[in-house]
Amino acid sequence: DGGITQSPKYLFRKEGQNVTLSCEQNLNHDAMYWYRQDPGQGLRLIYYSQIVNDFQKGDIAEGYSVSREKKESFPLTVTSAQKNPTAFYLCASRAGVDYGYTFGSGTRLTVV
Amino acid sequence: GENVEQHPSTLSVQEGDSAVIKCTYSDSASNYFPWYKQELGKGPQLIIDIRSNVGEKKDQRIAVTLNKTAKHFSLHITETQPEDSAVYFCAARNYGGSQGNLIFGKGTKLSVKP
Repeated sequence: DGGITQSPKYLFRKEGQNVTLSCEQNLNHDAMYWYRQDPGQGLRLIYYSQIVNDFQKGDIAEGYSVSREKKESFPLTVTSAQKNPTAFYLCASRAGVDYGYTFGSGTRLTVV
Repeated sequence: GENVEQHPSTLSVQEGDSAVIKCTYSDSASNYFPWYKQELGKGPQLIIDIRSNVGEKKDQRIAVTLNKTAKHFSLHITETQPEDSAVYFCAARNYGGSQGNLIFGKGTKLSVKP
């Protein structure tokens, strides 16, 4: 079955460490997105990519980095520069401009 | 750019009652309006969407209405059930500088009491 897979489901990070969240899709979608969700809050856009080897900053890109070397993969790195990284991270993809997003099941990151 | 306002932020109804969530948008060029349901600890799932050439769309107990003149759209859930309890997000597509990305409302937490 086609879908979008995020891993791991839960991730713990020590302060000062970088961590990478995985997002893989087999839907052949061109565009991919990363969102951050804090408790009781909406979805805030971190980064997005419309095509391979190209990506743009969203509203809260500081302290995060991404790459898009393959169409299927859009990993997000949470760097030590992100001062408050504890949150629920959602990856999404889109087939084309006339369609909505398909979301993954999320990764919950906790700084310990 | 586009801005989407969603109300109410929380909504509590008795099982069997109807629930209505409203959203307004600012960009008159927006033409695609999806609704997502997010259950606790999961990613949002698309439940219904509407395009600007249609005024209303129904799917079983769920319906969405669009008023382009007033720039608002609403989600209607009839005969609510406990499994409808979730956070609901509306969104609008902006064809401007964000390359057709969806702009989301801040969400409505719906609680259906048995």
